[in-house]
Amino acid sequence: EPEVTQTPSHQVTQMGQEVILRCVPISNHLYFYWYRQILGQKVEFLVSFYNNEISEKSEIFDDQFSVERPDGSNFTLKIRSTKLEDSAMYFCASSADTGNQPQHFGDGTRLSIL
Amino acid sequence: GESVGLHLPTLSVQEGDNSIINCAYSNSASDYFIWYKQESGKGPQFIIDIRSNMDKRQGQRVTVLLNKTVKHLSLQIAATQPGDSAVYFCAEGRGYSTLTFGKGTMLLVSP
Repeated sequence: EPEVTQTPSHQVTQMGQEVILRCVPISNHLYFYWYRQILGQKVEFLVSFYNNEISEKSEIFDDQFSVERPDGSNFTLKIRSTKLEDSAMYFCASSADTGNQPQHFGDGTRLSIL
Repeated sequence: GESVGLHLPTLSVQEGDNSIINCAYSNSASDYFIWYKQESGKGPQFIIDIRSNMDKRQGQRVTVLLNKTVKHLSLQIAATQPGDSAVYFCAEGRGYSTLTFGKGTMLLVSP
């Protein structure tokens, strides 16, 4: 069964450093999303992406965040200058174009900011 | 503000029992609801979804019920198995865009 894959599984970064989280969505999907989950809390929406542009973003997704689809298979989340409070699990999700398919999630990247 | 929430943080059942996990939502504009299962160290795994023009939908061993009058959503798992032990999240959305997740319910299944 096709799945969303995320790398790395765990990223440890010094505060203030840039980090790039990578995702390979399901191949025939056209809608892409990033969510985060702080330890012990609920999953929170960050951003959605369609047709090479951001469709929607939350208040969390400030100027420090950016997303990119650099080629036909990867979807990345960049945090320019990480803060301690960016420590969380980051999940990528994708859904098909039909509008009748749910979002499918990867297993996440655990981001630890020191 | 409007949000999605869960009544029971932990549900313990015996293997073979039927489980019911409940969820309340408050955004009347939501027209799409979805249940995810999250096992330790993994991402949310899609279980079943339902649109607001339906009140019941069945899958393999799972049924989702939607009561729009009281803004309540439930997930029923038949013949619960130890492998069903996980955290279950409900989420709501409009169309198939942003999902707003609830806090989650831990389901513990004893053999």
